[in-house]
Amino acid sequence: LAKTTQPISMDSYEGQEVNITCSHNNIATNDYITWYQQFPSQGPRFIIQGYKTKVTNEVASLFIPADRKSSTLSLPRVSLSDTAVYYCLEQGGKLIFGQGTELSVKP
Amino acid sequence: EAGVTQFPSHSVIEKGQTVTLRCDPISGHDNLYWYRRVMGKEIKFLLHFVKESKQDESGMPNNRFLAERTGGTYSTLKVQPAELEDSGVYFCASSQQGTSGFYEQYFGPGTRLTVT
Repeated sequence: LAKTTQPISMDSYEGQEVNITCSHNNIATNDYITWYQQFPSQGPRFIIQGYKTKVTNEVASLFIPADRKSSTLSLPRVSLSDTAVYYCLEQGGKLIFGQGTELSVKP
Repeated sequence: EAGVTQFPSHSVIEKGQTVTLRCDPISGHDNLYWYRRVMGKEIKFLLHFVKESKQDESGMPNNRFLAERTGGTYSTLKVQPAELEDSGVYFCASSQQGTSGFYEQYFGPGTRLTVT
């Protein structure tokens, strides 16, 4: 069973900031929060990973509060090419995928 | 650097036949994983190799599935005999050395298996 809960779908427009929140109420002490992106007919692609507080890379930011029961993936100024499915996962070894969030970016 | 490659990209077989899927991980990656998505459902873990050893095969659905990784390089996943419910997309992923779960997993493009 997926350990995380996230919205099934989200819509946005080009240039907007998109925030996708994920719940993981029973995250294990040693697990990290990892986000993957998947385009149709491709394998999932790593976006970002964090344990606590804030992590930022060239693609996104990840905010994890002190209780680690949730996390928020922030995509700045999305473009049409960011239309994809985004997965939030607890990572302690194998990846357990949930349904993911289908993000649709419109012009 | 070449990514994870999978062969074939698409396979169509009849029920009862045998199919072998191949995965070539990124060179030097000790960890190799197999996942699959069937019937539009969620991506599910099948098994995990560390080098040539099976670290975790808790996700293998039944004994019709056999995974090998001879020499700790490429891996094969054989389905024998194939059933209709085996149709789906099979993904392979690899990550760098160590058994830690915190290394980024690099996924291949997947093999789409259709059993008729």
